[in-house]
Amino acid sequence: AQSVTQLDSHVSVSEGTPVLLRCNYSSSYSPSLFWYVQHPNKGLQLLLKYTSAATLVKGINGFEAEFKKSETSFHLTKPSAHMSDAAEYFCVVTVSGNTGKLIFGQGTTLQVKP
Amino acid sequence: EPEVTQTPSHQVTQMGQEVILRCVPISNHLYFYWYRQILGQKVEFLVSFYNNEISEKSEIFDDQFSVERPDGSNFTLKIRSTKLEDSAMYFCASSVPMGTSYNEQFFGPGTRLTVL
Repeated sequence: AQSVTQLDSHVSVSEGTPVLLRCNYSSSYSPSLFWYVQHPNKGLQLLLKYTSAATLVKGINGFEAEFKKSETSFHLTKPSAHMSDAAEYFCVVTVSGNTGKLIFGQGTTLQVKP
Repeated sequence: EPEVTQTPSHQVTQMGQEVILRCVPISNHLYFYWYRQILGQKVEFLVSFYNNEISEKSEIFDDQFSVERPDGSNFTLKIRSTKLEDSAMYFCASSVPMGTSYNEQFFGPGTRLTVL
């Protein structure tokens, strides 16, 4: 069975400082991994995806994530937080091909302080 | 830019009533999904739909739930007799433009269902 664990339910950073949102996955097969972001009253937006190509994945708005098979991790990072990054972030896994169900982590709320 | 839309944004209903949540997926997509998020919990997969039939469903998706694509544009989720525990945010998603091998699932903004 596949699952994801987001290690922090809430992360608070100051504007301009680095962001690290942690995610570990469990999968019996080669996973596809995603990070989605949800701003208040908005739908879920894809930040980036890993689908067995390069292990360092770059996404929108300066975010990136590194797939580490040995650590079963897919942590999300950004060098410098912006106020507009404040949102809920979800780490997601799927192994049922590209049209299969998504399995979500619990979510991490990112707070950005001025 | 094309987007998935959902109506209504908020639905309040009495326990035991039927509700229909509506979604308009991106027009050239082939796969359609419903997910839900109970307050404070994970987003959970409910069902996927392709070629006018259910391709996968979760154990949550019991006989009280049904999905339909009645007219080639709308994708609906019906709950026949709502329970208090059906209160949640329901997200619709679509994926896979025709002519491409893969793409992400695009999500709508959600419908908040409150069962009283």
